[in-house]
Amino acid sequence: DQQVKQNSPSLSVQEGRISILNCDYTNSMFDYFLWYKKYPAEGPTFLISISSIKDKNEDGRFTVFLNKSAKHLSLHIVPSQPGDSAVYFCAATPFGNEKLTFGTGTRLTIIP
Amino acid sequence: EPEVTQTPSHQVTQMGQEVILRCVPISNHLYFYWYRQILGQKVEFLVSFYNNEISEKSEIFDDQFSVERPDGSNFTLKIRSTKLEDSAMYFCASSRVGEQYFGPGTRLTVT
Repeated sequence: DQQVKQNSPSLSVQEGRISILNCDYTNSMFDYFLWYKKYPAEGPTFLISISSIKDKNEDGRFTVFLNKSAKHLSLHIVPSQPGDSAVYFCAATPFGNEKLTFGTGTRLTIIP
Repeated sequence: EPEVTQTPSHQVTQMGQEVILRCVPISNHLYFYWYRQILGQKVEFLVSFYNNEISEKSEIFDDQFSVERPDGSNFTLKIRSTKLEDSAMYFCASSRVGEQYFGPGTRLTVT
């Protein structure tokens, strides 16, 4: 039951360039989407979120884009820094304070 | 900055034993959750808790699992009789509105 999919298991990007991580979902009930960053042996760290009433949300170097008709969201990180190397999970929920359904994650490696 | 804490960081137990995983959510949060991640797999929802009762649980959260908020600060997950397949990282999370904040996790190893 893959309601949230991250089709790229890994991504390598040069330092200073833009990193684009993608996520697709199938459940039309999802209304709120989040991105988390995870280092090994740590818990997921919240990065940025977006509700379905918006198509873009920006926070510093991080921007999330939502295309509801395509059921697709993406996370842009610019400029990419070595500390951004981690696994990134996209998650979705019908609305806030409900269970999160996670994707399988994308391992981002920033090359110095 | 407030954060979710979890103890212990690593628990090793024998099959059939009971374990209790402990969490201290962020103090002004009202919603509490447990998730787990089996090695190499995605993070999976187990249970959510609000107003001193379970608000939602997954198929994984069977009769062997229970949660409790014994006082104003702790939130616990009990597994009554552990199985080998319960070996995983268990994450506690809490939220007030919207985004959930996760603890560092407890690695449970069942031998």
